[in-house]
Amino acid sequence: DSGVTQTPKHLITATGQRVTLRCSPRSGDLSVYWYQQSLDQGLQFLIQYYNGEERAKGNILERFSAQQFPDLHSELNLSSLELGDSALYFCASSPSMAAGGNTIYFGEGSWLTVV
Amino acid sequence: AQSVTQPDIHITVSEGASLELRCNYSYGATPYLFWYVQSPGQGLQLLLKYFSGDTLVQGIKGFEAEFKRSQSSFNLRKPSVHWSDAAEYFCAVGPHTGTASKLTFGTGTRLQVTL
Repeated sequence: DSGVTQTPKHLITATGQRVTLRCSPRSGDLSVYWYQQSLDQGLQFLIQYYNGEERAKGNILERFSAQQFPDLHSELNLSSLELGDSALYFCASSPSMAAGGNTIYFGEGSWLTVV
Repeated sequence: AQSVTQPDIHITVSEGASLELRCNYSYGATPYLFWYVQSPGQGLQLLLKYFSGDTLVQGIKGFEAEFKRSQSSFNLRKPSVHWSDAAEYFCAVGPHTGTASKLTFGTGTRLQVTL
């Protein structure tokens, strides 16, 4: 158990819909990362938040957005869903830079199926 | 740009045999290197990491990896594989410094263990 908690574990929704994935980082970790894992794209970095602020952006679609709240939990919002958005979405967290912030710890992921 | 190559998509070994999974990286500075394992339906678990110092690093579950700067490699090894080691293994490279500590992952090597 990495200490990173993601909900829901599984989600099935229809095209055009909007879903929210939730992540609680490890206790004390300030950074949260979102990754997408699909068969054709592999593991893709989407976005990073550090202590509530967006810190780095990867291959995140405009239909997707994220935020990190004052209690450090994070949400990934996926809208206007397409079949190709079906994937495993991982949240990960890492400590502050002073505490070894370059090591990230992954949650078990949220399986999203768009039908 | 940083990149990671895992040249073996799929490897099959017999239980009790030794294992070596290859990882080559491209990085413009001193890299921070990781191996993660993903069991079926699970998240990514950190096996080991190399930051600096001794180039042979020990990880969990009896795994070790050796950093070879001259070969830009960070191969993962285990002297005797167990059936429970069947999983997908990901090598990753990241920055030593900086707050945008996102990692670049390889495409993974799927390990099958025969009894």
